[in-house]
Amino acid sequence: KQEVTQIPAALSVPEGENLVLNCSFTDSAIYNLQWFRQDPGKGLTSLLLIQSSQREQTSGRLNASLDKSSGRSTLYIAASQPGDSATYLCAVREDSSYKLIFGSGTRLLVRP
Amino acid sequence: GAVVSQHPSRVICKSGTSVKIECRSLDFQATTMFWYRQFPKQSLMLMATSNEGSKATYEQGVEKDKFLINHASLTLSTLTVTSAHPEDSSFYICSAWGGGSGSTDTQYFGPGTRLTVL
Repeated sequence: KQEVTQIPAALSVPEGENLVLNCSFTDSAIYNLQWFRQDPGKGLTSLLLIQSSQREQTSGRLNASLDKSSGRSTLYIAASQPGDSATYLCAVREDSSYKLIFGSGTRLLVRP
Repeated sequence: GAVVSQHPSRVICKSGTSVKIECRSLDFQATTMFWYRQFPKQSLMLMATSNEGSKATYEQGVEKDKFLINHASLTLSTLTVTSAHPEDSSFYICSAWGGGSGSTDTQYFGPGTRLTVL
């Protein structure tokens, strides 16, 4: 059974720092991996989607990498801003299903 | 990008009543819609998968008679929490999948519905 883990559970950094969020999954047979952002009491916003054949995806200050064989993905946020404060969730889609399996998230606080 | 709406955004009801939550894909046809439940400071847990015109597929441990799902059209799915109790209080989020590929092969999430059962 696929399990997705995110470390750290919470992170507080001063504005301007570069930071890395980690996601690991137990079964490497995934179709793709996706990073989402969730603001308090809100739905999910997709940030980056990495297909299983890809190594990384970039969007603005965000860069996500995928090492399928080791079951890991990282989300790199450059020059963090207070507006980046949110919960970041990673989710994997398995080969045989359209279902997404989510990690428990990392709650990020960027202090001004 | 694709937009998914949910209604209502927030509902408070008395124990024993039933509550219906709507999920709509506004600018695309959703082949499949998913219903998730999220407790405070926890991740999303998939409750069920619904395909237009067919019965929903429920995840293990989810009571199908309590959480009724209807996917009557390619743009609308409803979740009805029957005889709601305080332990059903949660944040319910739907998502819709349009059957794309590559960069569009993703689920689009609604803004969520906060259910509070008194």
